[in-house]
Amino acid sequence: EAGVTQFPSHSVIEKGQTVTLRCDPISGHDNLYWYRRVMGKEIKFLLHFVKESKQDESGMPNNRFLAERTGGTYSTLKVQPAELEDSGVYFCASSQDPGYTDTQYFGPGTRLTVL
Amino acid sequence: GQNIDQPTEMTATEGAIVQINCTYQTSGFNGLFWYQQHAGEAPTFLSYNVLDGLEEKGRFSSFLSRSKGYSYLLLKELQMKDSASYLCAVGNDYKLSFGAGTTVTVRA
Repeated sequence: EAGVTQFPSHSVIEKGQTVTLRCDPISGHDNLYWYRRVMGKEIKFLLHFVKESKQDESGMPNNRFLAERTGGTYSTLKVQPAELEDSGVYFCASSQDPGYTDTQYFGPGTRLTVL
Repeated sequence: GQNIDQPTEMTATEGAIVQINCTYQTSGFNGLFWYQQHAGEAPTFLSYNVLDGLEEKGRFSSFLSRSKGYSYLLLKELQMKDSASYLCAVGNDYKLSFGAGTTVTVRA
């Protein structure tokens, strides 16, 4: 069974540009999460999808970030326009059951560098 | 707010035992997770505790005391491949709140 995959693995962009990150969850997992780790800090929650619906987006930093999950399969996270402080590693995770205690399986992350 | 503390670094010898402590003060609690992360790779699930006590899984064990807001991950018979970052995370609703991670270095 394939794990969570993310694309690209690395992205280097200029301040003010737009970047779109993609996450493909484990097949059959209705729950999809985005997290972010900025330099020297802990991994922090951004948002949670159940199928195509946003269940919780309380961790999204500001309105320059837009997440979508059309059709309830893969998800994209767009940053527009990117700022220097957006640099970090963006992780995606998925889980099968809606229970609070279900294990979340993580992808390898996308390392974003904004110059 | 969420406050999850774990040591930054630990070093141990191959074959030895290492215990990574994690203390937490969080606004909610649905369980305590431990993940292992090798550099540049995905965090991988190691263990989950929701009730007090010890959960054993091969060379890895995890302990939880909810009244003390305390957990530890015990790694036995250390191998070189155990060199990695170990992340303590508290589940709250659907979210995980992470500590900053403990980098464990295993020396020959």
